[in-house]
Amino acid sequence: ETGVTQTPRHLVMGMTNKKSLKCEQHLGHNAMYWYKQSAKKPLELMFVYSLEERVENNSVPSRFSPECPNSSHLFLHLHTLQPEDSALYLCASSQSLGSYNEQFFGPGTRLTVL
Amino acid sequence: QQQVKQSPQSLIVQKGGISIINCAYENTAFDYFPWYQQFPGKGPALLIAIRPDVSEKKEGRFTISFNKSAKQFSLHIMDSQPGDSATYFCAASNAGSSGSARQLTFGSGTQLTVLP
Repeated sequence: ETGVTQTPRHLVMGMTNKKSLKCEQHLGHNAMYWYKQSAKKPLELMFVYSLEERVENNSVPSRFSPECPNSSHLFLHLHTLQPEDSALYLCASSQSLGSYNEQFFGPGTRLTVL
Repeated sequence: QQQVKQSPQSLIVQKGGISIINCAYENTAFDYFPWYQQFPGKGPALLIAIRPDVSEKKEGRFTISFNKSAKQFSLHIMDSQPGDSATYFCAASNAGSSGSARQLTFGSGTQLTVLP
């Protein structure tokens, strides 16, 4: 595996379900990000982790719960979601925070909430 | 003030033509302006980026033009090819405060179609 991988690629869940999205980066980076991408809207930064420590939470509802057990893995735990949460969820990583480090994106998880 | 406005929303160009996508920003603290390219089923990938100390940056067929006084920057794709058909996002960022992340603020995207 190379780059940034995400699983599953597609997920359909009901509003009462609990599911998790997984992201893994194989680049030796220290920073990881979760973004939400909705149609015809800018990418929205949700969470930022640096060396497993959360450094940014951009007013994301508590039904989204991130977890970063180590610098290579990032999870997004989902529970009691709403239909408007349906979107493409992108994970990204960069060498570090700050500076001009390029962010490398995974292919995303297409989430549909029924 | 954190918004980046991108236009057009969609663009259709003939093969060999020039594709031009424009972005405007308000936050004068932005000091890094990347463009990302996204193909269907893939995540965005960095295409080219510029810092405000130069007015233009060229990499192959892709050029960023930057106008600091107007707070505008644009992507020009010369000799556009069908393989360039993708969604393009402009973005801007500034150094975060101590200990915080350098956050990218993205435009809403331009869907480019290059006809054969």
